[in-house]
Amino acid sequence: AQSVTQPDARVTVSEGASLQLRCKYSYSGTPYLFWYVQYPRQGLQLLLKYYSGDPVVQGVNGFEAEFSKSNSSFHLRKASVHWSDSAVYLCVLSAGGNEKVTFGAGTKLTIKP
Amino acid sequence: AQTIHQWPVAEIKAVGSPLSLGCTIKGKSSPNLYWYWQATGGTLQQLFYSITVGQVESVVQLNLSASRPKDDQFILSTEKLLLSHSGFYLCAWRRGRREVFFGKGTRLTVV
Repeated sequence: AQSVTQPDARVTVSEGASLQLRCKYSYSGTPYLFWYVQYPRQGLQLLLKYYSGDPVVQGVNGFEAEFSKSNSSFHLRKASVHWSDSAVYLCVLSAGGNEKVTFGAGTKLTIKP
Repeated sequence: AQTIHQWPVAEIKAVGSPLSLGCTIKGKSSPNLYWYWQATGGTLQQLFYSITVGQVESVVQLNLSASRPKDDQFILSTEKLLLSHSGFYLCAWRRGRREVFFGKGTRLTVV
C-alpha cells in the first residue's frame, strides 16, 4: 500500500518570510514525487517533480523541494513568500503502475501582509 | 504540445437528474486517463482510470460511471445525481509513471 501524509492542514506565514510545507510518503518501491498548487476554483499546476538524482529539485516561482529516502519525505520550501503564493499545495506520489496516483490531503497556505 | 479540455466549466443540476462530464486530450496518443473528484474542503480522490479505448477501471464507487469511447475522450456520467456528487471534478492524463497533467476542472453543484 502507498500513502501520502501532509501533516499541516493549514499554514500561515508573513509575506517575505521563509516557508516549509511537509510531506511524508509511504511506498516500498522507488517513488516519483510531485508538488502541485491549486488556486481557488482552478485546476492543478505542477510546481516541481522528483524522479531520481539530486535530492534537491528546483521548481517554478522560487520553490524547491528536498527528497529524503531515509525520512520518506519530500518537503517543499521557499526562501521568501509572496501574497500570490496563497493557495492549496498538494504532495503527490506516482507509483504502482498505470493506475495509481496518490494525493496528500493538501496544505492550505495563507500569506499575511 | 498536449492540451486537455474539460466541459462544462460548471454545472448546477437537480437531484435525480442525469449528468455527463467530458474530457478531451489532444496531441497525445493512447494516454492514460483519469477522473478525480474533490468534495468541498476535501481531498482529491481518484474515481476511474483508463489505459485504452473501451477499458475503464473503477477506483472509488460513488454511483458514477465512466467510459472511453475514443482514444482521446473520457466521459463521466450518471443517470441520477445525488447531493453527495457535488464537488470539483478533474480529468487528467499521465505519461507513463511521470507527472499527471490536469484539466481546469468542472464545478458541479447538485441542488
